[in-house]
Amino acid sequence: NAGVTQTPKFQVLKTGQSMTLQCAQDMNHNSMYWYRQDPGMGLRLIYYSASEGTTDKGEVPNGYNVSRLNKREFSLRLESAAPSQTSVYFCASRETGMETQYFGPGTRLLVL
Amino acid sequence: AQKITQTQPGMFVQEKEAVTLDCTYDTSDPSYGLFWYKQPSSGEMIFLIYQGSYDQQNATEGRYSLNFQKARKSANLVISASQLGDSAMYFCAMPQGGKLIFGQGTELSVKP
Repeated sequence: NAGVTQTPKFQVLKTGQSMTLQCAQDMNHNSMYWYRQDPGMGLRLIYYSASEGTTDKGEVPNGYNVSRLNKREFSLRLESAAPSQTSVYFCASRETGMETQYFGPGTRLLVL
Repeated sequence: AQKITQTQPGMFVQEKEAVTLDCTYDTSDPSYGLFWYKQPSSGEMIFLIYQGSYDQQNATEGRYSLNFQKARKSANLVISASQLGDSAMYFCAMPQGGKLIFGQGTELSVKP
C-alpha cells in the first residue's frame, strides 16, 4: 500500500516548455487534489477532482490543466512553463465523507 | 470564506519541554474542523491531528493535542515532551467544501 505517489520528484524546465506531473493513489479515494507550495507560504489549491470524470478550479488555476485519467490517477499539466511556476507541487487524496487528506511526497519544479 | 492565520513564523523550544503553536480561524460555517500537518525538512506533509467543531473533548494523538477554543476561534497545537525530531514546519488547515485552506505555517526548532 503505497498511498499517494508522485512523479517526478524533481524537474528543471526552461521557460515555455511543457510537462505533466503524475499522481496516483491506491486507497480507492474519490477525491484528488493538486496544491502548490511557495516559500514561506502554506499550500494553495490549484485544481481538484471530486470524483472520476470531474475537475474544478481551485485558488490558483491559471497556467495549469488537469486530467482525471481514472479513479487512481490525477495529472497536472503545464502547457508553457513560466518562472512563476517554480514551486513544490503536492498531490493529495481524500475518502468521501472523511475530512483527512493524504499527501504525496511532492514534486520540486524549477523553471528557468 | 474561511481564513486561517498562524502568527508565529518561527518558534524555539528546549528538548523535553512542551510547546504551543497558535492557529486562529475565521469561518461562518456552523460546522467545521481543523487539521494540523507537519512538514519536516524532507518535504512531505504528515497528518497529525484533526478535530471537528462538534467534538466535545479536545483531540489527542500521542504527544499531540489540539486546544480548541471556539469562542476565541483558535485551535492551537500542543506538543508535549518535545523531541529533536519535532523540528519541522507545522501547518494549520481548515476544510472548505472538501478542499483544505492552509495557514502560513510555523517553523519549530527543538534545541538539545
